[in-house]
Amino acid sequence: DTGVSQNPRHKITKRGQNVTFRCDPISEHNRLYWYRQTLGQGPEFLTYFQNEAQLEKSRLLSDRFSAERPKGSFSTLEIQRTEQGDSAMYLCASSSLAGEETQYFGPGTRLLVL
Amino acid sequence: DQQVKQNSPSLSVQEGRISILNCDYTNSMFDYFLWYKKYPAEGPTFLISISSIKDKNEDGRFTVFLNKSAKHLSLHIVPSQPGDSAVYFCAASGYSGYALNFGKGTSLLVTP
Repeated sequence: DTGVSQNPRHKITKRGQNVTFRCDPISEHNRLYWYRQTLGQGPEFLTYFQNEAQLEKSRLLSDRFSAERPKGSFSTLEIQRTEQGDSAMYLCASSSLAGEETQYFGPGTRLLVL
Repeated sequence: DQQVKQNSPSLSVQEGRISILNCDYTNSMFDYFLWYKKYPAEGPTFLISISSIKDKNEDGRFTVFLNKSAKHLSLHIVPSQPGDSAVYFCAASGYSGYALNFGKGTSLLVTP
């Protein structure tokens, strides 16, 4: 399977704990995106990488959130000092630089903060 | 501020009939539009897209129409099948390779 993969698929944590999610994009894709989706809403953009460079961050990405893509391949999204409002589905997507504009999504990581 | 709007939260259609899902946008800088299908507990699956230089794009049972003057697009599914039952999201971007702005989705139910 050469699609976007995300791990873990589910995460339950207590308020105040740190969590980290991983995304592996489609192998030839240079661009990687993180989105967050809450109940009844569409996905909301968080941040975007082109290769290893983080080129854009949404105002939704508070200073408790950090994302990295150290070698331009997989990416991690860390949330520090989690809050109950962080409970959501975290989606990763990737796309190619070579004229293909479509973003392909992974299955998501569902986070529940108790 | 919601720049992409799907004003119908749900739609029910009989199998074999046409499903029409609508989407409106407010940002005239959007130039690429996509439709995604989503099942519960899964990520969105890409269905079809259209660039602002076109007014129609067709792929099998799926056709997307774009009316730039009205800032409106629609997805037609013909014929509808029970397996099409899912939430459909409309998305738009301002230029290639950048953030997608999504609507809130329309839940489609295709009944036998």
